[in-house]
Amino acid sequence: GAVVSQHPSWVICKSGTSVKIECRSLDFQATTMFWYRQFPKQSLMLMATSNEGSKATYEQGVEKDKFLINHASLTLSTLTVTSAHPEDSSFYICSGRGSWDNTDTQYFGPGTRLTVL
Amino acid sequence: QQPVQSPQAVILREGEDAVINCSSSKALYSVHWYRQKHGEAPVFLMILLKGGEQKGHDKISASFNEKKQQSSLYLTASQLSYSGTYFCGTEVAAGNKLTFGGGTRVLVKP
Repeated sequence: GAVVSQHPSWVICKSGTSVKIECRSLDFQATTMFWYRQFPKQSLMLMATSNEGSKATYEQGVEKDKFLINHASLTLSTLTVTSAHPEDSSFYICSGRGSWDNTDTQYFGPGTRLTVL
Repeated sequence: QQPVQSPQAVILREGEDAVINCSSSKALYSVHWYRQKHGEAPVFLMILLKGGEQKGHDKISASFNEKKQQSSLYLTASQLSYSGTYFCGTEVAAGNKLTFGGGTRVLVKP
């Protein structure tokens, strides 16, 4: 149980284009979803927290107009990187947290590797 | 503020033991441990809640000393599959976000 999927697994795009990444909780309802970015050999850096049906809360330094997050349902959140540039190339990982237990455990998706040319 | 993990890296022979520490400057509600293999997403190992919990699964166990604001992960009789980067994530209150440490790279050699 507690499986999170991401699509696509990887994407290569040209500078200036927009890229959408989907995050789905397959067997649980994720009341909260998190989006992280990870550069090579570095830790997971939280970008934003989203609760179903409400606006995402962005971490300091993360441009909300560049990284659009939508959490339309309890099983789906999307991250759109608008006007992507090479410096946006990274490994983007989402996680979901359900409410079936009281432990606040986050379950991570397999990640999406974005390469902007 | 990011918790501090130590050591940054460790190399083990199969069957050896290792300890990974995670220290925070803030009072903690919980500590979460994850293992990440190269190019993959982090996999949840265990969570420890305040109250001095200790937990284990197979030969991996952990403890949480809330007074010292630190947690330790113990790899006992390590296996090749234990190789990866271990991250601790700390939570200062229930329902809050996790803040991850810098990670500890573990390499288990035959």
